[in-house]
Amino acid sequence: NAGVMQNPRHLVRRRGQEARLRCSPMKGHSHVYWYRQLPEEGLKFMVYLQKENIIDESGMPKERFSAEFPKEGPSILRIQQVVRGDSAAYFCASSPVLQGSGANVLTFGAGSRLTVL
Amino acid sequence: QQQVKQSPQSLIVQKGGISIINCAYENTAFDYFPWYQQFPGKGPALLIAIRPDVSEKKEGRFTISFNKSAKQFSLHIMDSQPGDSATYFCAASGRRDDKIIFGKGTRLHILP
Repeated sequence: NAGVMQNPRHLVRRRGQEARLRCSPMKGHSHVYWYRQLPEEGLKFMVYLQKENIIDESGMPKERFSAEFPKEGPSILRIQQVVRGDSAAYFCASSPVLQGSGANVLTFGAGSRLTVL
Repeated sequence: QQQVKQSPQSLIVQKGGISIINCAYENTAFDYFPWYQQFPGKGPALLIAIRPDVSEKKEGRFTISFNKSAKQFSLHIMDSQPGDSATYFCAASGRRDDKIIFGKGTRLHILP
């Protein structure tokens, strides 16, 4: 079991370009979470998805950010027209959650570090 | 709105000492409180978790103390070791809302 796989580990983009971050959940996990980590700010919730469905996107910025988890393939966090403030570590986590259990054990990937020049 | 407040931001403890990290929450719908440990360059990993129906949970050198009336919980690391040096996050979630909200983290450094 390879765990949660995130790629790329490091991504450099210039302002205005697009960034695509990919996350493959652990085998058997049907739910994916995305978090953003900035120094001194901890882990900020962005979005929570299951296959082909966004469950909660209350932490996503209204513009430029989108996420999907298609029936086949990894979950993708997409940031359009990146700005310097988007520079951060983006972590994906997966869980075998039964919705409504309130006790999701998250398994995190190693993160994707985005640098915007 | 910060739903889970964590303190201190950083902590230095001598080897063999007790490390204590505190968290407070606001949402009374929260009923699951995990702690995650993160080493540099890695993703966070679940360390220990508690439900509010118990006041304490112990796993090895790690203990969570929970005070439901005060809406506070804390992590105690007994006999702290240099290998415990990491960032620790408290978190909370509830049955009505499966997303997990994290505190801002505590950087713990254990002096050898």
